[in-house]
Amino acid sequence: QKEVEQDPGPLSVPEGAIVSLNCTYSNSAFQYFMWYRQYSRKGPELLMYTYSSGNKEDGRFTAQVDKSSKYISLFIRDSQPSDSATYLCAMRRTALIFGKGTTLSVSS
Amino acid sequence: GAGVSQSPRYKVTKRGQDVTLRCDPISSHATLYWYQQALGQGPEFLTYFNYEAQPDKSGLPSDRFSAERPEGSISTLTIQRTEQRDSAMYRCASSRGTSGATNEKLFFGSGTQLSVL
Repeated sequence: QKEVEQDPGPLSVPEGAIVSLNCTYSNSAFQYFMWYRQYSRKGPELLMYTYSSGNKEDGRFTAQVDKSSKYISLFIRDSQPSDSATYLCAMRRTALIFGKGTTLSVSS
Repeated sequence: GAGVSQSPRYKVTKRGQDVTLRCDPISSHATLYWYQQALGQGPEFLTYFNYEAQPDKSGLPSDRFSAERPEGSISTLTIQRTEQRDSAMYRCASSRGTSGATNEKLFFGSGTQLSVL
């Protein structure tokens, strides 16, 4: 079992939809939880990070962590075509460990 | 430099040859990471450096893989006796603090696309 599991999708939604992206993890030593966004042919870029269980909101994006269930989520409200990318969850013990990434396509 | 720079951008090699990939991190960044990213997959951790120290190389797939950062700035990743399964994008990333600052943002380079024929 990999330390971080993420459904690769692909996920296709119409513009304006609410998107839910999820990851599970097995190592309770993970403390910091991040979401990176990767556009085609580019390197990943940090979108959001959280530390504790609960929600963190940044514009149309909400990151949620449930440490008791070892489950993290990223919600995107009012999705836009420019949100089309691969979304990678990432968690840190010492090094940063990434999930496989979920490919999202938002159609106009 | 202004960003993380990797060279070469593309590398094609024959099976059995050795290759060396180079990463020039953002200047003054203490921590440097190497990741391997197969097509359609997330980055797989290989190893990382705090300056010249290499605290974790647990992700290196075999002893054919090695990395150095002798002066705590530029790093190289060497793959000896390359195999076709080594074909992937190799990405370098750097962050300002040491890994103890665990919310540190990683800045990724454009990567080196390695193809082993």
